[in-house]
Amino acid sequence: EVQLVESGGGLVQPGGSLRLSCAASGFTFRSTFSNYWVHWVRQAPGQGLVWVSRMDSDGRIISYADSVKDRFTISRDNAKNTLYLQMNSLRAEDTAIYYCVLSEIGHWYFDLWGRGTLVTVSS
Amino acid sequence: QSALTQPRSVSGSPGQSLTISCIGTSSDVGGYNYVSWYQQHPGKAPKLMIYDVNKRPSGVPDRFSGSKSGNTASLTISGLQAEDEADYYCCSYAGRYTLWVFGGGTKLTVL
Repeated sequence: EVQLVESGGGLVQPGGSLRLSCAASGFTFRSTFSNYWVHWVRQAPGQGLVWVSRMDSDGRIISYADSVKDRFTISRDNAKNTLYLQMNSLRAEDTAIYYCVLSEIGHWYFDLWGRGTLVTVSS
Repeated sequence: QSALTQPRSVSGSPGQSLTISCIGTSSDVGGYNYVSWYQQHPGKAPKLMIYDVNKRPSGVPDRFSGSKSGNTASLTISGLQAEDEADYYCCSYAGRYTLWVFGGGTKLTVL
C-alpha cells in the first residue's frame, strides 16, 4: 500500500520561506513513483480544498495556481521517491495544511493523499 | 469563494438516501467528464470516493454513486450509515490553465 508522509511545515514569518517534503513508499514493481503525477493541495483552517501545483511524471510539465505562481516551486526526485514544494515570500493567506497528492498517469483526479503538514505564516 | 458551489450542510437519518449537489460552469463541470468526489473525516486526509463523474474506486461501497447533468454534478449516498458523517468535496478538471477547482465542501450529518 502506497503511503505519503509530508514534513517541513511549521511557523514562519510573513515574507519567509519553507520547503515541504513528501516521502512516498509502498510501491511495487508494477507501479513506481515515476508512474504518478504529483500535486500539492492545501486547506486553510476551517476552509475547503484548493489545488496548488502539479508536476508530471518526469518533471517536464509543471503548473501552479495563480495565487502561488512565481512564489512556489514544485519539484520531485524519482530516485528518492520524494516530492518537494519550495515556498517563498510567504503570506498570511498561505496558512494551511498542505497535502501531498498522487495521480496515476492519465487520471484527472487525485488517487492518493498524504496526511498533510501545517504551515502557519504569522508574525 | 470556491469555484464550485456546494450546500454547506446536509443531514439524514440512518438508512435514508441523500444527494449533495455541486454547481459549476461550462468551463469545468459542464465541459469535462472529470468530476471527482472526496470524503474527509475530521483531522484526516481526504479520500477519493467517485471519479470521472460516476466511477467508484475499489473498496468504496456501492452505496455511493455520482452523476452529472449539464453544469451540475451530484453525489448520492443511499442507505446512510453513521460512518458516512464527514465533509464531502467535489472537484472538477477545468482546462489547461485553471486545471482543477474544488467546491467549498458539504458537511454531512447523520441524525
